[in-house]
Amino acid sequence: KQEVTQIPAALSVPEGENLVLNCSFTDSAIYNLQWFRQDPGKGLTSLLLIQSSQREQTSGRLNASLDKSSGRSTLYIAASQPGDSATYLCAVSRIKAAGNKLTFGGGTRVLVKP
Amino acid sequence: DTGVSQNPRHKITKRGQNVTFRCDPISEHNRLYWYRQTLGQGPEFLTYFQNEAQLEKSRLLSDRFSAERPKGSFSTLEIQRTEQGDSAMYLCASSNYRGVETQYFGPGTRLLVL
Repeated sequence: KQEVTQIPAALSVPEGENLVLNCSFTDSAIYNLQWFRQDPGKGLTSLLLIQSSQREQTSGRLNASLDKSSGRSTLYIAASQPGDSATYLCAVSRIKAAGNKLTFGGGTRVLVKP
Repeated sequence: DTGVSQNPRHKITKRGQNVTFRCDPISEHNRLYWYRQTLGQGPEFLTYFQNEAQLEKSRLLSDRFSAERPKGSFSTLEIQRTEQGDSAMYLCASSNYRGVETQYFGPGTRLLVL
């Protein structure tokens, strides 16, 4: 059974500092890995998707890496802003033919202080 | 609007009542997923459809839960004889099976069972 863990559970940083969020998973047989952002009481917004054959993806200030063999992914957010305050969730999906259901970690709650 | 929509956004009900939620996916997305998220946790998979066929149900989906996707378009999730433990955010996501298959999430329906 796939298990996804995110450490730390909460993080508080001053504005301008870089954020490093960690995600680990137990079964390396994944199809892809997604990072999501969730604001309080809201749905999920997809930030980045890394396919199992890829090592990283970048979008603006966000960069996500994937090391499938070690079961790890890291999300980097450069030059954090108060608007980055949210919960960040990582999720892995299994092989496509078996249905692409996502297994989520518990999330990292981020607070960026002005 | 091309996003995933869910209705209602909030539902308060008394224990023992039946509730039904609706999800309208992004048009032409052939896969539709339901997840449940309790406070402070990541979402957990409930069930998914490919077109109108329900292909997998989680063990979390007790016999009080039923989901349908008639004609492969919108989907409904019904909970019969609600219990306080059913209180959660119910999230719907859709994806296109062809291609990378990023899942796009709706805003969720927050259920409170009194």
